[in-house]
Amino acid sequence: DGGITQSPKYLFRKEGQNVTLSCEQNLNHDAMYWYRQDPGQGLRLIYYSQIVNDFQKGDIAEGYSVSREKKESFPLTVTSAQKNPTAFYLCASSASGAFTGELFFGEGSRLTVL
Amino acid sequence: AQSVTQPDIHITVSEGASLELRCNYSYGATPYLFWYVQSPGQGLQLLLKYFSGDTLVQGIKGFEAEFKRSQSSFNLRKPSVHWSDAAEYFCAVGALEYGNKLVFGAGTILRVKS
Repeated sequence: DGGITQSPKYLFRKEGQNVTLSCEQNLNHDAMYWYRQDPGQGLRLIYYSQIVNDFQKGDIAEGYSVSREKKESFPLTVTSAQKNPTAFYLCASSASGAFTGELFFGEGSRLTVL
Repeated sequence: AQSVTQPDIHITVSEGASLELRCNYSYGATPYLFWYVQSPGQGLQLLLKYFSGDTLVQGIKGFEAEFKRSQSSFNLRKPSVHWSDAAEYFCAVGALEYGNKLVFGAGTILRVKS
């Protein structure tokens, strides 16, 4: 089945540690996105990538980094510079070509800072 | 900049009753409008979208939404709610000139009482 796989589903981090969240898709989509979700704030865009080896900052990129070395993979690193990293992180992808607005989401990764 | 307002944080309806979730957007040009649904701890699924044409759009699971340009609104409706509709609903707006990305509202949590 085609889809988006995020791992791990739950992650605990000590302050000062970097962590990397994995996102893999087998939908052959060109565009991939990372969103952060906090209660009552909806989804906020962290980074997005329209094509391999290229990515752009979203609205809340500070303290995060990404790479896009392969079409199917878009990992997100939450660095120690992110002051409030506890959140639910969602990865999504969309087809190339004309913008349809249909994002396909993974099941999310919940990061908790201890 | 684009913005999306969902004025209701929580809504509770009885099973079988009708439902209307409100969404207002702020955007200068013609937006693309979307409704997504999220079950607890899961990713989001597209319910319906409006790009152009008929202002009343039909989606999955018996949902519909109406685009009203004069009111900058895109409210989601369902004539008869089922217990399985309990979830969080997000309105989102996008536009070609802003690239292939969406801005999401804060969400409305729907509770269904039997």
